[in-house]
Amino acid sequence: NAGVMQNPRHLVRRRGQEARLRCSPMKGHSHVYWYRQLPEEGLKFMVYLQKENIIDESGMPKERFSAEFPKEGPSILRIQQVVRGDSAAYFCASSQRTGTNTGELFFGEGSRLTVL
Amino acid sequence: DAKTTQPPSMDCAEGRAANLPCNHSTISGNEYVYWYRQIHSQGPQYIIHGLKNNETNEMASLIITEDRKSSTLILPHATLRDTAVYYCLPLAGYSSASKIIFGSGTRLSIRP
Repeated sequence: NAGVMQNPRHLVRRRGQEARLRCSPMKGHSHVYWYRQLPEEGLKFMVYLQKENIIDESGMPKERFSAEFPKEGPSILRIQQVVRGDSAAYFCASSQRTGTNTGELFFGEGSRLTVL
Repeated sequence: DAKTTQPPSMDCAEGRAANLPCNHSTISGNEYVYWYRQIHSQGPQYIIHGLKNNETNEMASLIITEDRKSSTLILPHATLRDTAVYYCLPLAGYSSASKIIFGSGTRLSIRP
């Protein structure tokens, strides 16, 4: 059973370009969370999605950022018109949220975005 | 989500037990206590969780106070590979569809 897969692992973009980060949850998991981590800082919640629904996007900047988790395919975190401050590691986690293991999040290895 | 308080940093000698405390005084009855860790640059890793009783697995032990307002994660024989940031967080039951917030955690350094 493959773990949470994120790609690309490293992405370099110039200011103004778009960044698309993909996350394939573990098999059978229908809940996905995205977190951003700036260097030497903690994990900051961005968005929580279930299949085809955004449950909570309170941690996501209002502009330029969007996320989706379609019925088929991976979850996508999209950053339009990137700026240098978007440079960070973006982690995706998935969960089954059934039974007693509600909070057992399984994390991917992250996508590291560098904006030049 | 309940708020947690953890010391920002701790250190421990290799081979000794590392005891990491967490205060979660506002935890509600349906929330479990979860512990994760993040080794430098890697994705966070699940360690252990519990509701009321103490728990043990191959990685660690979890001691939860009777009033559930605090807990301690114990790494019985710390190694250099245990150097990481450790996060404690209370999480609600499966019926609650809520975001999961990580606090600042404890940066544990294991010295040789």
